[in-house]
Amino acid sequence: DIQMTQSPPSLSASLGDKVTITCQTSQNINKYIAWYQQKPGKAPRLLIGFTSRLVSGIPSRFSGSGSGRDYSFSISNVESEDIASYYCLQYDNSPNTFGAGTKLELK
Amino acid sequence: EVQLVESGGGLVQPGRSMKLSCAASGFTFNNYDMAWVCQAPKKGLEWVATISYDGSSTYYRDSVKGRFTISRDNAKSTLYLQMDSLRSEDTATYYCARSFGTPDYWGQGVMVTVSS
Repeated sequence: DIQMTQSPPSLSASLGDKVTITCQTSQNINKYIAWYQQKPGKAPRLLIGFTSRLVSGIPSRFSGSGSGRDYSFSISNVESEDIASYYCLQYDNSPNTFGAGTKLELK
Repeated sequence: EVQLVESGGGLVQPGRSMKLSCAASGFTFNNYDMAWVCQAPKKGLEWVATISYDGSSTYYRDSVKGRFTISRDNAKSTLYLQMDSLRSEDTATYYCARSFGTPDYWGQGVMVTVSS
């Protein structure tokens, strides 16, 4: 199985900050990585697919990049509604595997 | 509007069975692979199983192989997860998701608690 090393586990930010989350995979996943947002008690919401493709309706302050084994996800100008947990998911190989998650909190 | 509505969860004793259902609407169900993803209390997300659009192929995480069965009824636009020989570590919220490469739409989730 492909291992996903997501960091940091938690992140504290002020409104307007830029934050970055990284996921390193145990092998090349050919850019087949997605990023999800999950708020407490809610289902995950897809934000970005195939490394950098923003889902329709998702604000442009969310972005993704990377290749090979190293990927990142950023939120520029953090807003209060962005307070949530974020997960990466590789879907290049079965079983699909998630990162452990990053909890974004307000400073 | 895409909607996925899970049902069938609850409290079940270890070793017993439970069947989850997911009713889909708002899209052409038989055009999409479907998946189940679970989340133990206060834990992260774990992919459980995927079924191809026509039901011909299924994939499972190792810990559920031989115990869980994913299936679908395209005529009813419904996805299922038959869970047998349940263990305490299967306790989680189970989400069904439409899979377009990666899960794009998710249901609200259904809680399964395995306890005596």
